[in-house]
Amino acid sequence: QVQLVQSGAEVKKPGASVKVSCKASGYTFINSDINWVRQATGQGLEWMGWMNPDNGNTGYAQQFQGRATITRNTSTGTAYLELRSLRSEDTAVYYCARGIAGVSGTYYTNWFDPWGQGTLVTVSS
Amino acid sequence: DIQMTQSPSSLTASVRDTVTITCRASQSISVFLNWYQHKPGKAPKLLISGASSLQSGVPSRFSGSGSGTDFTLTISSLQPEDFATYYCQQSYSTPYSFGQGTKLEIK
Repeated sequence: QVQLVQSGAEVKKPGASVKVSCKASGYTFINSDINWVRQATGQGLEWMGWMNPDNGNTGYAQQFQGRATITRNTSTGTAYLELRSLRSEDTAVYYCARGIAGVSGTYYTNWFDPWGQGTLVTVSS
Repeated sequence: DIQMTQSPSSLTASVRDTVTITCRASQSISVFLNWYQHKPGKAPKLLISGASSLQSGVPSRFSGSGSGTDFTLTISSLQPEDFATYYCQQSYSTPYSFGQGTKLEIK
């Protein structure tokens, strides 16, 4: 079945960087975008950015421009999110999600499915 | 950027009740609206795409409607497993924004 499996929890100090991985299986990796979404404790879902695994094109939410980088390894079907200059407010669960474009009813739209299991990143001194 | 506003932010209901959650976009998004269910410690689960298209395997007590700027998610005859947080998301343009969530709690 289609599955995204993420790397394990991380604890980092303020100012450090973290790199979270997301390994895809059950579908052709380069055929669907990968998105990254995070949820801080007690907060809602926040979209961070996306990547086209086929050509490596990326896009980021403004608040993460210059601090986040999404990359991929097409030979292993793995996407990565690197976040630099970590601060306490970056403590959150980070999710990857497959972006699908297709027909919903009678319309051509897009959605996220499935999601990875989440990776807790804790930033603390 | 498109802002998504969900209401209510929390909701208390009983098993077998029917509840409705609304989502409003700050500009027209046609039917580029998705609904997700999120339980603590789990990955979010897609329920509805394209505003009203129920995903395979999702019970028919879930339904979605709307287009343009106003959307609703209705859950009929609530079951114990439905108590969770629900999010709307616009996929019309990046940044793909989410509503703030509606926490559905059991009475």
